[in-house]
Amino acid sequence: AQKVTQAQTEISVVEKEDVTLDCVYETRDTTYYLFWYKQPPSGELVFLIRRNSFDEQNEISGRYSWNFQKSTSSFNFTITASQVVDSAVYFCALRDVWTDKLIFGTGTRLQVFP
Amino acid sequence: EAQVTQNPRYLITVTGKKLTVTCSQNMNHEYMSWYRQDPGLGLRQIYYSMNVEVTDKGDVPEGYKVSRKEKRNFPLILESPSPNQTSLYFCASSQQANGELFFGEGSRLTVL
Repeated sequence: AQKVTQAQTEISVVEKEDVTLDCVYETRDTTYYLFWYKQPPSGELVFLIRRNSFDEQNEISGRYSWNFQKSTSSFNFTITASQVVDSAVYFCALRDVWTDKLIFGTGTRLQVFP
Repeated sequence: EAQVTQNPRYLITVTGKKLTVTCSQNMNHEYMSWYRQDPGLGLRQIYYSMNVEVTDKGDVPEGYKVSRKEKRNFPLILESPSPNQTSLYFCASSQQANGELFFGEGSRLTVL
């Protein structure tokens, strides 16, 4: 079965701390896509990254980095030197190329305190 | 400006009163879909559409209908809303099935 697990329901950190959000996925397919989205308190969903299953290179974008490991079926997201504006709910998602469904995890709420 | 527009953004209605949530995108995207977001459950797909006149069920289609008569529009229809359909609804579109999904701002629906 296709599934995305975000075991961390809520994380609280103090500003400038590094924080890692975990994402573990299950799929029977060799071709798939993984995504991260951010949902700030205002409610909209903001795209952060898309990664296909053939590209295991880690990605860095400013303070954000992603670690994709097929061996452990994980696609973890790290925020370096967190800021209050990073406070949001973060969703990991898996897209099945055959069914076209986008399967979301239940999200991790990150609170960054000043 | 490229965007996905949903209406209404907020709605309170009563059980059994038919309603439609509209969704329109101006990016000429072929793929569109609807999700509902509930606490502790994340986002779950209701219906999706690969192109005009092509729609398919997602994971939670019960109680919903959709249509795709034009490429830009993908309305979500609740024929007889019930309280368990109280939720935050998102419409989304992408250029291709595996592309980045662009989401609307969400429609918060309350069914009394």
